[in-house]
Amino acid sequence: SYELTQPPSVSVSPGQTASITCSGDKLGNKYVCWYQQKPGQSPVVVIYQDTKRPSGIPVRFSGSNSGDSATLIISGTQAMDEADYYCQAWDSSTVVFGGGTRLAVL
Amino acid sequence: QLQLQESGPGLVKPSETLSLTCTVSGDSISNSSYYWAWIRQPPGKGLEWIGNIYYGGSTYYNPSLKSRVAMSVDTSTNQFSLNLSSVTAADTAVYYCARYVIVANSVDSWGQGTLVTVSS
Repeated sequence: SYELTQPPSVSVSPGQTASITCSGDKLGNKYVCWYQQKPGQSPVVVIYQDTKRPSGIPVRFSGSNSGDSATLIISGTQAMDEADYYCQAWDSSTVVFGGGTRLAVL
Repeated sequence: QLQLQESGPGLVKPSETLSLTCTVSGDSISNSSYYWAWIRQPPGKGLEWIGNIYYGGSTYYNPSLKSRVAMSVDTSTNQFSLNLSSVTAADTAVYYCARYVIVANSVDSWGQGTLVTVSS
């Protein structure tokens, strides 16, 4: 079955750029989306179709996807961005989630 | 405004069947743009997709759960349901129902989630 791999944790200083990777075989050939989940809350999509931001998501969130890796980039990271982030793709009629990355804003 | 609300027992005994229903308001479950999904999250762990169902009844299941999962949809009540059989403690999780946008291949709306504990 298809697998998506994320680093368990990433740390960033406030105001700096955070990058969270998601890797999978030929991932660039699939659409990837990213969810943000804060403690006790349901996830929220922050990027879909690799690069698109839903309405209401700040412009500091962006995404890319090519080759075997997709990346979520948070520019000018704020304390409120501290959360768990999950990548997700669709493969062979199944939904696949990455294991999640905890972003710490230190 | 779209709302999804999970309902069902919060405690299920081992070997029994977990049954949950999701009530959709603010949109028709017959909208051809969406699948309706179940996703779960064990305490302190990541998200796990359980399955998607289309309003016409087509289903897509996680291969690792497929032998125990059954999803159904009721367009007359705007609800869809999950049955997970032969549960064990490993099935203890927060269960979310969600709307999956087909063209975007992503979930755009989630329920608040319901904790189901498997214990005798």
